[in-house]
Amino acid sequence: GDSVTQMEGPVTLSEEAFLTINCTYTATGYPSLFWYVQYPGEGLQLLLKATKADDKGSNKGFEATYRKETTSFHLEKGSVQVSDSAVYFCALSDPGTGGFKTIFGAGTRLFVKA
Amino acid sequence: GAGVSQTPSNKVTEKGKYVELRCDPISGHTALYWYRQSLGQGPEFLIYFQGTGAADDSGLPNDRFFAVRPEGSVSTLKIQRTERGDSAVYLCASSSQVAGGQETQYFGPGTRLLVL
Repeated sequence: GDSVTQMEGPVTLSEEAFLTINCTYTATGYPSLFWYVQYPGEGLQLLLKATKADDKGSNKGFEATYRKETTSFHLEKGSVQVSDSAVYFCALSDPGTGGFKTIFGAGTRLFVKA
Repeated sequence: GAGVSQTPSNKVTEKGKYVELRCDPISGHTALYWYRQSLGQGPEFLIYFQGTGAADDSGLPNDRFFAVRPEGSVSTLKIQRTERGDSAVYLCASSSQVAGGQETQYFGPGTRLLVL
């Protein structure tokens, strides 16, 4: 079945460091890919998405490119801030299996130190 | 406008009891989803409604779990004979349309269920 694997955390960085959180997926069809973020004490919110191969999603300085050849959707940010401390979830929805459910990775906790 | 709301925010119950968790989606959203998030894990799909009908309930773990959405708006997730393993955060999400999985799902804050 479909699945998402993302790097284990926690990831601890200093402010202004470069961030990469790796994500790979397995899907039967051509999924849409998402990154969600969960800030402390808040609900899940969509950070960015990409719906087809080679699309780049971007938001708030974060970027991720849909790489079909490597089945990856790695999250990057050039300069993190303390306010980026949160849990990040990579996810997919697959039209090949109905496309309605979203399948999430286990999450990666990011700590950014001042 | 108002987002997805869920009540109660926290629920503590004893093993074997019955619980109901409520979700109020964003007004006008036809699609509604329930997920369960265990500690340290990502959300796990339970059930999806399109309007009043459950279009996909393949994620419900067993027949103790049931969900309804009688008027196509508010939904209730019902858990019978609760077990300690049911302890988790139950998340609800809604979206505006069906578009092959590309629509954005908006999540509520969750209900934290603890079964003692």
